[in-house]
Amino acid sequence: AQRVTQPEKLLSVFKGAPVELKCNYSYSGSPELFWYVQYSRQRLQLLLRHISRESIKGFTADLNKGETSFHLKKPFAQEEDSAMYYCAPFSGVDAGGTSYGKLTFGQGTILTVHP
Amino acid sequence: DTAVSQTPKYLVTQMGNDKSIKCEQNLGHDTMYWYKQDSKKFLKIMFSYNNKELIINETVPNRFSPKSPDKAHLNLHINSLELGDSAVYFCASSQHGAGERETQYFGPGTRLLVL
Repeated sequence: AQRVTQPEKLLSVFKGAPVELKCNYSYSGSPELFWYVQYSRQRLQLLLRHISRESIKGFTADLNKGETSFHLKKPFAQEEDSAMYYCAPFSGVDAGGTSYGKLTFGQGTILTVHP
Repeated sequence: DTAVSQTPKYLVTQMGNDKSIKCEQNLGHDTMYWYKQDSKKFLKIMFSYNNKELIINETVPNRFSPKSPDKAHLNLHINSLELGDSAVYFCASSQHGAGERETQYFGPGTRLLVL
């Protein structure tokens, strides 16, 4: 079964400091991973996906297959980065001979960036 | 012009009651989901529908019954509510369910409190 672990429930840093939110997964096959973010009083939304190799709001995440990790990093944290972050591997589900997909969310990390 | 909407936003009810939560998306997506976020912020998929057909049914008590009258709506009916059902329930939708890695768009959540 696919599992994802975010070992830090809470993470606090000061503004301008680097931040890394850890994510480890166990998955057979070629995983595809996402980071979702939930800001205060806002809905959960996609932050970035590993296949895009993009940097969103200064965040990047590299898939390390050897370590089965997909850590989220930002070199200089900002106060507006304070939010709940979820790592989510994507897996295929077979239903009636057709493949569908589902996200499995980790337990989330609450990031607080202090001024 | 809200993409994914849920009603009600808050729901407070007594143990043993039956209640429904409604979800609608106007994005033209084929796939819709229900997630449960517990008091520890752990987010777990419950159900997924593609074009009104159930494709994912995680280990959820059969007191929970999703209904999709059309592909733009996915409602969640809960019978004989229990204290442990207290949580935030999120609806989400995505473009296709056929093995593609689409972004999921989330509703604002319905906060259910069972007394």
